[in-house]
Amino acid sequence: DIVMTQSPDSLAVSLGERATINCKSSQSVLYSSNNKNYLAWYQQKPGQPPKLLIYWASTRESGVPDRFSGSGSGTDFTLTISSLQAEDVAVYYCQQYYSTLLYTFGQGTKLEIK
Amino acid sequence: QVQLQESGPGLVKPSETLSLTCAVSGYSISSGYYWGWIRQPPGKGLEWIGSIYHSGSTYYNPSLKSRVTISVDTSKNQFSLKLSSVTAADTAVYYCARHRGVSEPYYFDYWGQGTLVTVSS
Repeated sequence: DIVMTQSPDSLAVSLGERATINCKSSQSVLYSSNNKNYLAWYQQKPGQPPKLLIYWASTRESGVPDRFSGSGSGTDFTLTISSLQAEDVAVYYCQQYYSTLLYTFGQGTKLEIK
Repeated sequence: QVQLQESGPGLVKPSETLSLTCAVSGYSISSGYYWGWIRQPPGKGLEWIGSIYHSGSTYYNPSLKSRVTISVDTSKNQFSLKLSSVTAADTAVYYCARHRGVSEPYYFDYWGQGTLVTVSS
């Protein structure tokens, strides 16, 4: 199984400041044949389903504000919100889709306003 | 716009079978894509249950495989989840979702709103 570990578990950031969430996989999710990282990020607000933000580790989904960005490769990944807005308060999850035998998510990072 | 809607009983007794259906609109399941089920216990994280292709081929979470059956009904444009021998640990919000990738199960791009299933006598 590929275990996804996020850090920190919770984070408080001031409005307008940068928020950084990390995700580490227990094995590489970089597929050598196409040089793509099989890693996605989701945002979940209370009472709502997860919303896709980023896929292939760094490709922003259509309609997602450009203050959201993803980076990293192999086993270490980062979701960055460049200037935190009030509507960004949510829980963020990373997910690997490298292994179709078992898709796994990180435990989630709760982002709040300081 | 693709839309997914879960339906089924909100209360299931222990040892019985949980049955949910996901109705898809805005896209014909028979045209492709993988379709999956994910659950989230109250206050906890996300767990993938399994996924199905329009042809009927399936992938299941190994930890649930012995109890899970996912099926597709292309004539009704829906797919279903059955989870047998449920316990309180199966209490969760159950989501259906679509994998991006017409013939490959990548990440999840469209999600249903979710339905809470409580296992209790």
